[in-house]
Amino acid sequence: SQQGEEDPQALSIQEGENATMNCSYKTSINNLQWYRQNSGRGLVHLILIRSNEREKHSGRLRVTLDTSKKSSSLLITASRAADTASYFCATERNDYKLSFGAGTTVTVRA
Amino acid sequence: GAVVSQHPSRVICKSGTSVKIECRSLDFQATTMFWYRQFPKKSLMLMATSNEGSKATYEQGVEKDKFLINHASLTLSTLTVTSAHPEDSSFYICSARVYRGSEQYFGPGTRLTVT
Repeated sequence: SQQGEEDPQALSIQEGENATMNCSYKTSINNLQWYRQNSGRGLVHLILIRSNEREKHSGRLRVTLDTSKKSSSLLITASRAADTASYFCATERNDYKLSFGAGTTVTVRA
Repeated sequence: GAVVSQHPSRVICKSGTSVKIECRSLDFQATTMFWYRQFPKKSLMLMATSNEGSKATYEQGVEKDKFLINHASLTLSTLTVTSAHPEDSSFYICSARVYRGSEQYFGPGTRLTVT
C-alpha cells in the first residue's frame, strides 16, 4: 500500500534556483529513497538515507530525514533544465518492500 | 550499476488476449523481483513480490489469476496479463534485488495499451 505523501504536487522554478520537495510517511522504515522519473520512462535511483541518518548529500542533492516527524525533504540546488522530471520518495518498510509517495512534478524553466 | 531490462517496452493488444512482459536482471542474480503498476501521473503501486522458485505473493486487491507471475530463474521474471481489458492499460515496472535489504534496481517499464 502507498504510504508516502509528497508536497508540493507540482513545482515550477527558474533555472539556477533551488527546488525543495517534502515527503511524509506513516509507519516505521528501514530507509527512505528518492527516485527521479522522466516522462514515460523508468525510475532513476537518486539517493538512499537510512533510518539512523539525518542528512545526506550527493552532488547537487541534499536529503534530510526526521524520523520523529516521519518526514524527509529533497533539495536540488542550482537546478538545470535537465532536472525537469517527477520525483518520488519511497520508504522501505520493515518487510523490505517499497512504498512510493505520490510524487512531485518539477519543471525547470530555462 | 546493476541493469534490469524489460521486454517489450511497448505493447498494444486487443481486449481478451493475454500479454507477457519479461523482466531480466542482466548482470546480477536476483533472488527477488517486484512488479509495480503506474497509472498516468500517479505513483507506483506494488502489485506482487516474486521470489525465485516459489509462488509470488500479491498485494491486497491484486488478482493473482489476472496477473500471473513466474520467476523461473535468478535472472528472469515474467508477468502475464490474462484476458486483458482496457482498464489493464498501464505502465508496468519491475525491479530486482540481490538479497533482502539490498537496493532494488528498476527496469525501464512496459507501456501496455489494451484496445
